[in-house]
Amino acid sequence: AQTVTQSQPEMSVQEAETVTLSCTYDTSESDYYLFWYKQPPSRQMILVIRQEAYKQQNATENRFSVNFQKAAKSFSLKISDSQLGDAAMYFCAYRGNAGGTSYGKLTFGQGTILTVHP
Amino acid sequence: GAVVSQHPSRVICKSGTSVKIECRSLDFQATTMFWYRQFPKQSLMLMATSNEGSKATYEQGVEKDKFLINHASLTLSTLTVTSAHPEDSSFYICSAQRTVQSNQPQHFGDGTRLSIL
Repeated sequence: AQTVTQSQPEMSVQEAETVTLSCTYDTSESDYYLFWYKQPPSRQMILVIRQEAYKQQNATENRFSVNFQKAAKSFSLKISDSQLGDAAMYFCAYRGNAGGTSYGKLTFGQGTILTVHP
Repeated sequence: GAVVSQHPSRVICKSGTSVKIECRSLDFQATTMFWYRQFPKQSLMLMATSNEGSKATYEQGVEKDKFLINHASLTLSTLTVTSAHPEDSSFYICSAQRTVQSNQPQHFGDGTRLSIL
């Protein structure tokens, strides 16, 4: 079974600074997707960024970028120029694309609570 | 586009009653819907996957007789918590996608906070 581990329960950053959230995963599959989701206090799940495992290029979305290390099974999220609105719980997630019982299902990490200080 | 509506957003009821939560895809047809459970400050745990017109597939440890899932149309899935008890209190979130393919994005509802007294 696939597992996703976020080893940082909480992180904090000053406004306008950069912060990196860590994520590692374990899988025997070669074809999969990785995601970062943001869950603000409203509890709504917001997709931040998505990475396809077969793509070597790291995904970027404005101030959000990832460092995808496939061999190391590492998928960290970098938030640049942090804003107060970035404060939320962030979840790393894995989704298999190779068939089998895990196909299409999202497996989430434990989450990291990000605090942004003004 | 791709809006998923979940209703109710919050429900409080007495122990022993059954509670139904609806998940609707408002502007697209969803072949597949997922139901998650989340405890405070914890991760989302997948409870079951439902495909329109088929029986739901439950994850290990989830009681199918306790959590009844129906996906009778391409825009509606329901989760019924039967004979609810205080330990069933949690945040329940649904998500929907157009097809079963893994490359399809999952669109999440806003969740339902269930409190059993």
